[in-house]
Amino acid sequence: QVQLKETGPDLVQLTQTLSITCTVSGFSLTTYNVHWVRQPPGKGLEWMGAMWNGGGTDYNSAFKSRLSISRDTSKSQVFLKMNSLQTDDTAKYFCARQSLGALFDYWGQGVMVTVSS
Amino acid sequence: NIVMTQSPKSMSISVGDRVTMNCKASQNVYNNIAWYQQKPGQSPKLLIYYASNRYNGVPDRFTGSGYGTDFTLTINSVQAEDAAFYYCQRIYNSPWTFGGGTKLELK
Repeated sequence: QVQLKETGPDLVQLTQTLSITCTVSGFSLTTYNVHWVRQPPGKGLEWMGAMWNGGGTDYNSAFKSRLSISRDTSKSQVFLKMNSLQTDDTAKYFCARQSLGALFDYWGQGVMVTVSS
Repeated sequence: NIVMTQSPKSMSISVGDRVTMNCKASQNVYNNIAWYQQKPGQSPKLLIYYASNRYNGVPDRFTGSGYGTDFTLTINSVQAEDAAFYYCQRIYNSPWTFGGGTKLELK
């Protein structure tokens, strides 16, 4: 069955770089796109960016200068890296599969990351 | 960049009531809208796609409508398990912007 699982640190220091891995199963990264979405505590959802099935990427302009998304298809993993972290980057970070019909049909459980000074 | 504005921010409804929540896009998004339900501590779950299509297994009390810039999610005969946050999202094109959400509470 389709599954996505995010793994990453619980705590990141101010100004440091965040690295999160989304490991997927039940589908191929060369067929489906995978998106990253974050949610600060008590707040709404924010689309961050995407890894396209063809290997390209797309970013929310709000993050473009400090966000990088990549993948390793042999390991079925998509990576998020974001630098220059600030306290308002404290959030739960989700990866989600985009269906062939452009829907976010499967989501990981998310990983909560706290940026600490 | 496109902005998705949801209203109201919160609502308190009794079981069995009918509820309507809104999502307004800052520009024409045609029918490229999805609705998600999110309960505390859980990931969002897809309810409606392309404005009016119910996703697999979603109860038929959930109905989506609208086109262009104005969209509505209606829940007929609200059940206790419907207490959640609801988010609209522009789909199909980038940026895949979410609305700010509507919190549905049960009295």
